[in-house]
Amino acid sequence: GQQVMQIPQYQHVQEGEDFTTYCNSSTTLSNIQWYKQRPGGHPVFLIQLVKSGEVKKQKRLTFQFGEAKKNSSLHITATQTTDVGTYFCAGRAAGGGNKLTFGTGTQLKVEL
Amino acid sequence: DTGVSQNPRHKITKRGQNVTFRCDPISEHNRLYWYRQTLGQGPEFLTYFQNEAQLEKSRLLSDRFSAERPKGSFSTLEIQRTEQGDSAMYLCASSLAGPQTGYGYTFGSGTRLTVV
Repeated sequence: GQQVMQIPQYQHVQEGEDFTTYCNSSTTLSNIQWYKQRPGGHPVFLIQLVKSGEVKKQKRLTFQFGEAKKNSSLHITATQTTDVGTYFCAGRAAGGGNKLTFGTGTQLKVEL
Repeated sequence: DTGVSQNPRHKITKRGQNVTFRCDPISEHNRLYWYRQTLGQGPEFLTYFQNEAQLEKSRLLSDRFSAERPKGSFSTLEIQRTEQGDSAMYLCASSLAGPQTGYGYTFGSGTRLTVV
């Protein structure tokens, strides 16, 4: 079945440093979404990418979808303590089904 | 609308007992999803409904698990003969149409199940 892996599993940064998490799918995706889950909370939708090579920005967050539509990345510039949480990518397999398969997640900790 | 509501928030049950969880989605959302999440892992797909029709069910899902959405509104997830391995957070989410529309899932706060 479809597998979605993320690296790194954990990342500790100092406030103000940049952060990147990478997402790789075993199968081609029709689209990919990103979610943020705060400690003790539930996943919250951030964004969806659909087109090959697409880049979208939300303030300090930059999302990319790979040309082959099998990988994606999330980059945060100048992290803040409010960025703490686990970031999940979630992909919908091309050609079938409507379920999202979530990645393994990257847990971000930001230290002052 | 107060978002996706799940009840109960916590459930502790003895091994072998049956449990049922309820999810009330956002009223205008026609799709409803159940996921399971264990500590340090991403949400794992269980099943989803479009209106009252159950359109997909995980092949990994034991036949002890059953879900319904009788009138296309709220949904219930039942686990029969619970096992310790069923201990997890059970998340419900709803969405408009599908991800292709650009709408992400709205998750509820989940029901944390502990099987002792």
